[in-house]
Amino acid sequence: DIQMTQSPSSLSASVGDRVTITCRASQSIGNFLSWYQQKPGKAPRLLIYAASSLQSGVPSRFSGSGSGTDFTLTISSLQPEDFATYYCQQSYTTPWTFGQGAKVGIK
Amino acid sequence: QVQLQESGPGLVKPSETLSLTCTVSGFSIRDGYYWGWIRQPPGKGLEWIGIIYHRGGTYYSPSLQSRVTISADTSKNQFSLKLRFVTAADTALYYCARADSSGYRSLDSWGQGILVTVSS
Repeated sequence: DIQMTQSPSSLSASVGDRVTITCRASQSIGNFLSWYQQKPGKAPRLLIYAASSLQSGVPSRFSGSGSGTDFTLTISSLQPEDFATYYCQQSYTTPWTFGQGAKVGIK
Repeated sequence: QVQLQESGPGLVKPSETLSLTCTVSGFSIRDGYYWGWIRQPPGKGLEWIGIIYHRGGTYYSPSLQSRVTISADTSKNQFSLKLRFVTAADTALYYCARADSSGYRSLDSWGQGILVTVSS
């Protein structure tokens, strides 16, 4: 299985901060990488697909980059509604695997 | 707009079979995409269980493969999950979801999830 490792596992930030979360794959996955946002009691929501493509309806403050094994999710200016847990996921090969999650909390 | 809704028992006894159904509206499952199941134990991260392709092929997590079956009923526009010989470790929130089969296979639509507890 391809292991996905996110860092940090949690962080505290303020509204307006620039936030960066990284995701590393245990082997190359091309750009078969998605990012999801999950709020408590809710299903995950797709933010980014193909490593850097913004899903329809997602605010442009979210962006993704990377290819191969190293990927980044950036929130350019953190908004109150962005406090949540973020997961990366590879779909390069089965079993599709998720990172352990990165919780963005309020400082 | 596609919508997915999980249904099934919220309580299953140890050693029995967990059976869930995902009803899809707004899109015909025979027209494409992968249709899959993901679970999340309380307070923990997401675990991929498996998918079924619209043409009927299936892929499962190796850790669950010996106990899991995903099937589809195109006449009802539903797909289902069966997990046999459950234990307390299978207690989780179970989500059904859709993944793009022609592109990068991202999970673009999700059900709201259903909590299944394994307990006697």
